[in-house]
Amino acid sequence: SQELEQSPQSLIVQEGKNLTINCTSSKTLYGLYWYKQKYGEGLIFLMMLQKGGEEKSHEKITAKLDEKKQQSSLHITASQPSHAGIYLCGADRYSYNTDKLIFGTGTRLQVFP
Amino acid sequence: DADVTQTPRNRITKTGKRIMLECSQTKGHDRMYWYRQDPGLGLRLIYYSFDVKDINKGEISDGYSVSRQAQAKFSLSLESAIPNQTALYFCATGTPSKQYFGPGTRLTVT
Repeated sequence: SQELEQSPQSLIVQEGKNLTINCTSSKTLYGLYWYKQKYGEGLIFLMMLQKGGEEKSHEKITAKLDEKKQQSSLHITASQPSHAGIYLCGADRYSYNTDKLIFGTGTRLQVFP
Repeated sequence: DADVTQTPRNRITKTGKRIMLECSQTKGHDRMYWYRQDPGLGLRLIYYSFDVKDINKGEISDGYSVSRQAQAKFSLSLESAIPNQTALYFCATGTPSKQYFGPGTRLTVT
């Protein structure tokens, strides 16, 4: 089984709608990262969260890490076609800023007009 | 120009063949990484390197080898390719807290 579970696996939303993607671990994480992948391109870093309860925003994307540091959510407000892609969460499993990140399987987001 | 480039972008090879995937970066970082991505399994670390003399195994290094020719170059080799090595391969550079990824190499082993 995956150490990082993402849900949903796939999401289709109408432009303008809000959406949330979740990333869950059975173990406490040291750091949680969100990346976005577009077809034919590599992963693009979105945000990093390290403290329990931490919340960060970038444009219309907000990510939160729960107090126990076992679950993170990524929320997109007023989605646009440019938000389409695959969102992956990654995590430091063993310590802070480790090179051995683990990743979830990703959530595929489609946004239609 | 892209910060991290990978060649080739697509490759089809036969079982038993030796193949090399190459990666170059212009970000100036010491750390470089190789990952593979498979449907349903996510992204997994193969090898990572701190500098030309420091190479470390990742989660799934069996069947792979790497070479760090310079700070900017990190290549991944499959000595004898097998079908279950069919995957999308990514190179990355940066720091543990923020990595910059290449566009990926889609490798098919028949």
